[in-house]
Amino acid sequence: SQQGEEDPQALSIQEGENATMNCSYKTSINNLQWYRQNSGRGLVHLILIRSNEREKHSGRLRVTLDTSKKSSSLLITASRAADTASYFCATDGGSARQLTFGSGTQLTVLP
Amino acid sequence: DVKVTQSSRYLVKRTGEKVFLECVQDMDHENMFWYRQDPGLGLRLIYFSYDVKMKEKGDIPEGYSVSREKKERFSLILESASTNQTSMYLCASSFPLTRDREQYFGPGTRLTVT
Repeated sequence: SQQGEEDPQALSIQEGENATMNCSYKTSINNLQWYRQNSGRGLVHLILIRSNEREKHSGRLRVTLDTSKKSSSLLITASRAADTASYFCATDGGSARQLTFGSGTQLTVLP
Repeated sequence: DVKVTQSSRYLVKRTGEKVFLECVQDMDHENMFWYRQDPGLGLRLIYFSYDVKMKEKGDIPEGYSVSREKKERFSLILESASTNQTSMYLCASSFPLTRDREQYFGPGTRLTVT
């Protein structure tokens, strides 16, 4: 079952703007991860935030986590055309061995 | 760098054929996974394996089986392919039960069943 649900499903912005994607989930988690998928390719891990963390940065990426609201956001600053991809959140519930992925946000960055 | 490879990028099979999708990882990961990805449905877990010869069903195991005879190799088998199994198939691997378990994905196999 899909626990993580991304919002919006699709986002189109101009190069240089910031892009924000949201993820909501239903059960308790150990960590939440964000992945990127270029068209027709496999997923690539971007960043992981643990349940006891509220914010994490990696380069132009900023992730926040609000466990009380069961939600996370991914911010990409100063977007580039090369950031065009689908972005997925995935939750690690800890007890099971697998991650649960959302349905993704398709980001298009226009040059 | 972790490398996960899949045997084919594109595959076309006929209805009723037996189909083998192979996945190999080179990082000595215990966990391996098979997903299928369809538009609007995201990634759905078919099967995963946490050790050699061990397997567990995911969310959509019907019509599929798996084999893990060696640690580095995880095979997905479609016993009798059907058109509704046309999809993108993604393999992934990860370390076991450590606190942070990111998954490493292969490039995917786009399977078309006609």
